[in-house]
Amino acid sequence: NAGVTQTPKFQVLKTGQSMTLQCAQDMNHEYMSWYRQDPGMGLRLIHYSVGAGITDQGEVPNGYNVSRSTTEDFPLRLLSAAPSQTSVYFCASSKQGPETPLHFGNGTRLTVT
Amino acid sequence: GNSVTQMEGPVTLSEEAFLTINCTYTATGYPSLFWYVQYPGEGLQLLLKATKADDKGSNKGFEATYRKETTSFHLEKGSVQVSDSAVYFCAPKAAGNKLTFGGGTRVLVKP
Repeated sequence: NAGVTQTPKFQVLKTGQSMTLQCAQDMNHEYMSWYRQDPGMGLRLIHYSVGAGITDQGEVPNGYNVSRSTTEDFPLRLLSAAPSQTSVYFCASSKQGPETPLHFGNGTRLTVT
Repeated sequence: GNSVTQMEGPVTLSEEAFLTINCTYTATGYPSLFWYVQYPGEGLQLLLKATKADDKGSNKGFEATYRKETTSFHLEKGSVQVSDSAVYFCAPKAAGNKLTFGGGTRVLVKP
């Protein structure tokens, strides 16, 4: 059982470049989300989705786009990378419900120069 | 919105010492409460949870009790090991599945 799979593990971009961070889960979870982790700031929610075709903004959505065409996949797009987007990105998923825990991928470390 | 306050650390301990990490939160209603652990180079893993007042979550020797009256969920372990060195995150879960994370507490256990 793969759980939540993120690719790539590492990425270096130049300012202005675009890229897509991939996230896939095989647990049939309705809820998927993207967080960024920065030193001293914990994890901040970027975007989330409660099901295929439904997405919504989190705490820090600017500069990022998402889509949810299938239950399994939830890619995160950076349209024009900026140095402020240097961070570690985590995808997480869960079943719907207040008691269900999030399952995390192993993260993508992104550096924008 | 929800918020979490936890000590940033680092907390440095000797092996077999007692560990406490304080966590207080603000949330609408009565959220479920979670502790997650992050080992170096990895994603977050669920450590334990509690879903209603006075519930005690426990796992791997760690415990935390849901205290509604003080809106707290402090994490404790009676005897830490070097392998417990990690970053620990407290997180309430409100309606709508969103978890709110604290800044994390780095724990370093020395042999």
